[in-house]
Amino acid sequence: DAKTTQPNSMESNEEEPVHLPCNHSTISGTDYIHWYRQLPSQGPEYVIHGLTSNVNNRMASLAIAEDRKSSTLILHRATLRDAAVYYCILRGNTGTASKLTFGTGTRLQVTL
Amino acid sequence: DAGVTQSPTHLIKTRGQQVTLRCSPKSGHDTVSWYQQALGQGPQFIFQYYEEEERQRGNFPDRFSGHQFPNYSSELNVNALLLGDSALYLCASSTGLYNEQFFGPGTRLTVL
Repeated sequence: DAKTTQPNSMESNEEEPVHLPCNHSTISGTDYIHWYRQLPSQGPEYVIHGLTSNVNNRMASLAIAEDRKSSTLILHRATLRDAAVYYCILRGNTGTASKLTFGTGTRLQVTL
Repeated sequence: DAGVTQSPTHLIKTRGQQVTLRCSPKSGHDTVSWYQQALGQGPQFIFQYYEEEERQRGNFPDRFSGHQFPNYSSELNVNALLLGDSALYLCASSTGLYNEQFFGPGTRLTVL
């Protein structure tokens, strides 16, 4: 499985944008970049995913580098409810790629 | 619409015992995946069920087994419990093998 590298922790002020980086230098051409987050005492939840182009949804934006070796999850205005562990995951769409391979993620702290 | 539900919420067992955890997928979902999450770690993939068959398995011993029923619900069984099996067990459901996974709140298993 291709590996991702994320900072262990980040801090943000409420109402400010947050940029969560992820490095994945060994990504293959068919790997999608997925982001999940896990709020305290809950199971993980899907945030966003993309292949090559930048993606937006109601929760966040995903910016993917042109060489696809890194990506950034962008929370446009962090709130206290966004405090969670954020996981960057590479996942294909064939064969044995159906599982999610979680690393240790980035713990995001949001303060007033 | 109920999301993924898991039972029980908490469970305490002793070494050598056997345990069964249960999962009901989100309405309309036909695929169930199980993950183990040790304290401070990201979830680790155990196995995935689709059409009542185990489709993929992670690096877990044969003590871990599962089943999927015709209504798509699933069970995870662990035999001969070890102290190291203490963890949060997460169930996730999806439509098909490669779509977004929706997680339940998990079952906290403590082995004494």
